[in-house]
Amino acid sequence: AQSVSQHNHHVILSEAASLELGCNYSYGGTVNLFWYVQYPGQHLQLLLKYFSGDPLVKGIKGFEAEFIKSKFSFNLRKPSVQWSDTAEYFCAVVMDSNYQLIWGAGTKLIIKP
Amino acid sequence: ETGVTQSPTHLIKTRGQQVTLRCSSQSGHNTVSWYQQALGQGPQFIFQYYREEENGRGNFPPRFSGLQFPNYSSELNVNALELDDSALYLCASSAGQGAGTGELFFGEGSRLTVL
Repeated sequence: AQSVSQHNHHVILSEAASLELGCNYSYGGTVNLFWYVQYPGQHLQLLLKYFSGDPLVKGIKGFEAEFIKSKFSFNLRKPSVQWSDTAEYFCAVVMDSNYQLIWGAGTKLIIKP
Repeated sequence: ETGVTQSPTHLIKTRGQQVTLRCSSQSGHNTVSWYQQALGQGPQFIFQYYREEENGRGNFPPRFSGLQFPNYSSELNVNALELDDSALYLCASSAGQGAGTGELFFGEGSRLTVL
């Protein structure tokens, strides 16, 4: 079955640490890839997306993600996190259709000041 | 603020009852999709409406139904409520025909508790 896996459900880091959140999907066809973020008390919002072209995608607030097709992965990275990055991060994938987003279970990130 | 508003924000129902959730899409958006998010899980796609017609549906039974109105606002109806229907219901609007065409803009959600 088509699925999206986020292996880390909870991550705790100190400020200035580097971040990498894993995302893998199970589908061999064409995909569109997304990372959404939900800050405490706020709605889900788009962090970055990949449709085609350069597999290294840059998003808002210094985040980036790399699409590695051979590994079916789309990991999210940030070189130096801030306390304000505390949020829940969701990876989501559209697999060969243009409407159904399949979501991972999310990773709760806590940044210690 | 996304411009997507949902109502009610919280509600409690009992098993067997019916519920209607409402969503106003962002100005200029003609596509609305609905998601169910159970506690500790990612959102699950219920269905999507484009220009008043359902053009995509996830793995949800027929007792989950919806409507989209000429002003592109939308309703989600759930009949014969079950305990497992307790969840956060999210509405998202977009300018394209689906999630694969671009960014979704989410509302705050409607928290449904079924007792």
